[in-house]
Amino acid sequence: DTAVSQTPKYLVTQMGNDKSIKCEQNLGHDTMYWYKQDSKKFLKIMFSYNNKELIINETVPNRFSPKSPDKAHLNLHINSLELGDSAVYFCASSQVGGQPQHFGDGTRLSIL
Amino acid sequence: GESVGLHLPTLSVQEGDNSIINCAYSNSASDYFIWYKQESGKGPQFIIDIRSNMDKRQGQRVTVLLNKTVKHLSLQIAATQPGDSAVYFCAERLGGTSYGKLTFGQGTILTVHP
Repeated sequence: DTAVSQTPKYLVTQMGNDKSIKCEQNLGHDTMYWYKQDSKKFLKIMFSYNNKELIINETVPNRFSPKSPDKAHLNLHINSLELGDSAVYFCASSQVGGQPQHFGDGTRLSIL
Repeated sequence: GESVGLHLPTLSVQEGDNSIINCAYSNSASDYFIWYKQESGKGPQFIIDIRSNMDKRQGQRVTVLLNKTVKHLSLQIAATQPGDSAVYFCAERLGGTSYGKLTFGQGTILTVHP
């Protein structure tokens, strides 16, 4: 009955590969987000979508491409993975313009 | 443990004590503030929030205080329990950004000893 669910929970891959992380929310929210948490626990927003439309796009390399097939899903595709991409990636959702944001349990990405 | 080497501010308390976690925010134009709790291996979990037109808000065992003069936010946890052990984050939202962009603080590690 998870409200915001991400898959996979762990992702270990080689440098240069392309990978995707999926996120789904069953809260009926209109806005979804991707955050990156580094090894120092610093949490920073990457993207936000409102009803399938990109509304926040922080300074993120264009190797990262979010896609929202519908308002309940926001996936993150990463091309040409680099060592510095190793982090925990969190998906979140909220009502449009509203708070609080509800987070998934994260995807731990490790680049070898 | 997971916290080794993180160099986050830490707070250690005895079970039953009250805890106060502090946060300095950066932007005087922020209109909304929120506290999250993050347990090991989990995502941030909402605790309590407050809008800039208030200076205090209470929840169950938690109170958030906002001092806009010095741009300071605090989270008070009453009768702290071992289950409260986690990393606590404050976050602010810049006013006028209706799409909810949150800027997070660095986090504080709370350890509760039985």
